[in-house]
Amino acid sequence: RKEVEQDPGPFNVPEGATVAFNCTYSNSASQSFFWYRQDCRKEPKLLMSVYSSGNEDGRFTAQLNRASQYISLLIRDSKLSDSATYLCVVNKGNTPLVFGKGTRLSVIA
Amino acid sequence: GAGVSQTPSNKVTEKGKYVELRCDPISGHTALYWYRQSLGQGPEFLIYFQGTGAADDSGLPNDRFFAVRPEGSVSTLKIQRTERGDSAVYLCASSSHGTINTGELFFGEGSRLTVL
Repeated sequence: RKEVEQDPGPFNVPEGATVAFNCTYSNSASQSFFWYRQDCRKEPKLLMSVYSSGNEDGRFTAQLNRASQYISLLIRDSKLSDSATYLCVVNKGNTPLVFGKGTRLSVIA
Repeated sequence: GAGVSQTPSNKVTEKGKYVELRCDPISGHTALYWYRQSLGQGPEFLIYFQGTGAADDSGLPNDRFFAVRPEGSVSTLKIQRTERGDSAVYLCASSSHGTINTGELFFGEGSRLTVL
């Protein structure tokens, strides 16, 4: 079983829609959680960290459920510029980040 | 520039050849990471340096892969006897923390390796 699993998509949504991605992780020792964004043929960039209490950054909301070992990302009022691959990332303290394979989002006009 | 710089951006080679990929991290970043990304996959960890030493090389797939960072700055990933399965984008990242609990790795644009 892969350490981080995501639905690869693609998710095709109209502008203005709300879309949510989930991610599950297998290692219960995982301590830190993140969402990265990767545009086509570009490098990954940190989008936001995910905290146990949930956190919000503008139109983006991240949630963590430790009991069920899943992480979610909610995007409200989708923009064309949100089209990208969203990578779920975990780590177990002083270890390198483990990336999921990503979920592809296409926002359509 | 201020970001992570990787060269070459593209490399096409023949099966069996030797390849070197270079990474110049952000100035002052002590931690340097190599990842590999195949089409449709997420980045896969290869090796991590803290300063000059390899702190974790558990992701290197086999002994054809080797990386160095002799002066604690620039790193070179070396691949011997390349195989078609080595074709991927090799991503380098750096961070200013020895641990990476902050989650922010700064990636270069990658070196796209194609083995014919």
